[in-house]
Amino acid sequence: LAKTTQPISMDSYEGQEVNITCSHNNIATNDYITWYQQFPSQGPRFIIQGYKTKVTNEVASLFIPADRKSSTLSLPRVSLSDTAVYYCLVGLRMDSSYKLIFGSGTRLLVRP
Amino acid sequence: DGGITQSPKYLFRKEGQNVTLSCEQNLNHDAMYWYRQDPGQGLRLIYYSQIVNDFQKGDIAEGYSVSREKKESFPLTVTSAQKNPTAFYLCASSIRLEGNEQFFGPGTRLTVL
Repeated sequence: LAKTTQPISMDSYEGQEVNITCSHNNIATNDYITWYQQFPSQGPRFIIQGYKTKVTNEVASLFIPADRKSSTLSLPRVSLSDTAVYYCLVGLRMDSSYKLIFGSGTRLLVRP
Repeated sequence: DGGITQSPKYLFRKEGQNVTLSCEQNLNHDAMYWYRQDPGQGLRLIYYSQIVNDFQKGDIAEGYSVSREKKESFPLTVTSAQKNPTAFYLCASSIRLEGNEQFFGPGTRLTVL
């Protein structure tokens, strides 16, 4: 069964690049990997999604190695407003059912 | 103004009462989801629906029920059988079930007294 693992917390300073890795063992070939940002008492907000290699958008990059057993969310030049919890999500189709596996989240603290 | 709405934002109920949480979307999405989040924890899937009149149990469906009579609406009922219902409940929708960005509502914080 697919399971995701993330670091519990990370600290950074304004202007630095932050890389958060999610391990997803037994990910199937048809899974997408999605990352979300969540502020306290709010719904998660989509950041980026990928299937393989590298994906980049205006806010982040996502790196997925060839074996797809992990993925790394890269936030360039973080600011104080990036302090939040970041979750990876893996979707897995098993026979006739569909499983959505959220990681437990990485709490990022950005310091001045 | 397109989006996904949940109401109410805060809800209080007495133990033993059933309560229904509302979720509405005007994004024309086929798939909808309900998650539960406990303090300091990640999201756990309660139920999901990939199309009208169809829904499937997620990882923690016991003590919950849903309906999907309209594409726009996916209400969640927390029954008295749910042993620890106090939590933050999040509804989401996506174009289709797989491989698509999920849009989340603002959440409902349920407190059972």
